[in-house]
Amino acid sequence: AQSVTQLDSHVSVSEGTPVLLRCNYSSSYSPSLFWYVQHPNKGLQLLLKYTSAATLVKGINGFEAEFKKSETSFHLTKPSAHMSDAAEYFCVVSGGGNKLVFGAGTILRVKS
Amino acid sequence: DAGVTQSPTHLIKTRGQQVTLRCSPKSGHDTVSWYQQALGQGPQFIFQYYEEEERQRGNFPDRFSGHQFPNYSSELNVNALLLGDSALYLCASSLVNTGTGYTDTQYFGPGTRLTVL
Repeated sequence: AQSVTQLDSHVSVSEGTPVLLRCNYSSSYSPSLFWYVQHPNKGLQLLLKYTSAATLVKGINGFEAEFKKSETSFHLTKPSAHMSDAAEYFCVVSGGGNKLVFGAGTILRVKS
Repeated sequence: DAGVTQSPTHLIKTRGQQVTLRCSPKSGHDTVSWYQQALGQGPQFIFQYYEEEERQRGNFPDRFSGHQFPNYSSELNVNALLLGDSALYLCASSLVNTGTGYTDTQYFGPGTRLTVL
C-alpha cells in the first residue's frame, strides 16, 4: 500500500524568502511521486513529478523537489517565494497501480 | 488545446436524490479517473475508467457508479445522496502507457462542487 504524510498543515513565509514543504512517503513499489498545487476554488495543477530518473526534479514556477530513498522523503522547495505562490500544495504517490494517493495538504501563506 | 472540462461547476441537491457529473478528458487522453475532495482534505480516489470499463476502484460504496463513452468522456453517478457526499468532485484524465500498462501523469479539471442539503 502507498501513503503520504505531509509534515506541516500550514507554512507561512515572507515574500522573497525560501519555501520548504515537507513530504514523507511509503510505498511497496518503486514509486512515482508528484506535487500538485490547488489555488482557492480551482482544480489541481501539476507542479512536478518524479519517475525514477534524476533524483532532483525541476518543476514549474521555480519549484523543485529532491527524491531521497534512504529518508523516504520528497520535499518541495523554492528559493524565493512570491505572493502568487499562496495556495494549498499536495504531495502525491502512485505505485503499483493507477490511482493517486494524496497527502492531507499544506497551506502555504506568503506575507508581504 | 482544451484541457479537462467538467460540468456543472456547482450543484445543489437534497438527501436521497441522485446526481450525474460529467467530464471531458484532455485531447489525446483515453483514461478518466474520479476523485472526491471533502472540505479541508486531500482528494480520495473513487474509480478509474479505461476502454469503457471500470479499471480500478477505491473504497467507495456502490452508490457511486460511473460510465465511460466511446469518445472517452465520462460520467459519475451518485445515488441516494447523503449529507456526507458534499464535496468537490475532481476528474482527471491521462494516457495509458502501453509499455507498462499503467497510466501516465493525470491532469485535473476544475471540479464540480456538490452540496447536499
